[in-house]
Amino acid sequence: DIQMTQSPSSLSASVGDRVTITCRASQSISSYLNWYQQKPGKAPKLLIYAASSLQSGVPSRFSGSGSGTDFTLTISSLQPEDFATYYCQQSYSTPPTFGPGTKVDIK
Amino acid sequence: EVQLVESGGGLVKPGGSLRLSCAASGFTFSSYSMNWVRQAPGKGLEWVSSISSSSSYIYYADSVKGRFTISRDNAKNSLYLQMNSLRAEDTAVYYCAREGGDSTSDYWGQGTLVTVSS
Repeated sequence: DIQMTQSPSSLSASVGDRVTITCRASQSISSYLNWYQQKPGKAPKLLIYAASSLQSGVPSRFSGSGSGTDFTLTISSLQPEDFATYYCQQSYSTPPTFGPGTKVDIK
Repeated sequence: EVQLVESGGGLVKPGGSLRLSCAASGFTFSSYSMNWVRQAPGKGLEWVSSISSSSSYIYYADSVKGRFTISRDNAKNSLYLQMNSLRAEDTAVYYCAREGGDSTSDYWGQGTLVTVSS
């Protein structure tokens, strides 16, 4: 199975900050990397697919980059509604595996 | 509007069984693969099982293989997860999710809680 790691595991940031979360795969996954946002008590929501494609309806302040084993999710200007946990997921091979998550909270 | 509504969760004793259902609407259910993903309390996301649109391809996580069975009824726009020989470590919120392009889970239900405890 492909192992996914994320860093940091948590971060504190202020509204308006630029936030970057990294995700690393244990082997090359090309661009088969997705990002999800989850708020407490809610289902995950797809933000980015294929490493850098923005899901319909997701604000443009979210962006993704990377290929191979190293990927990045960037929030250009953090908004109050962005405080949540973010998960990366590889869809290169079965089983599709998730990273452990990065919790973004208010500074 | 795509909607996925899970049901069937509850409290069950270790070794017991439970059947989860997911009712789909707002899209052509028979054209999409579907997934079950779970989340233990306070933990991350874990993929459980996937089924292709015509049920030709079925996959399970090693942690549930031989105990869980995924199925679907395209005439009823419904997805199912039969869970047998349940263990305490199966306690989680179970989500059904539509598999979109690039094997993403692009729409999710609200989840149903399964608690395995004596």
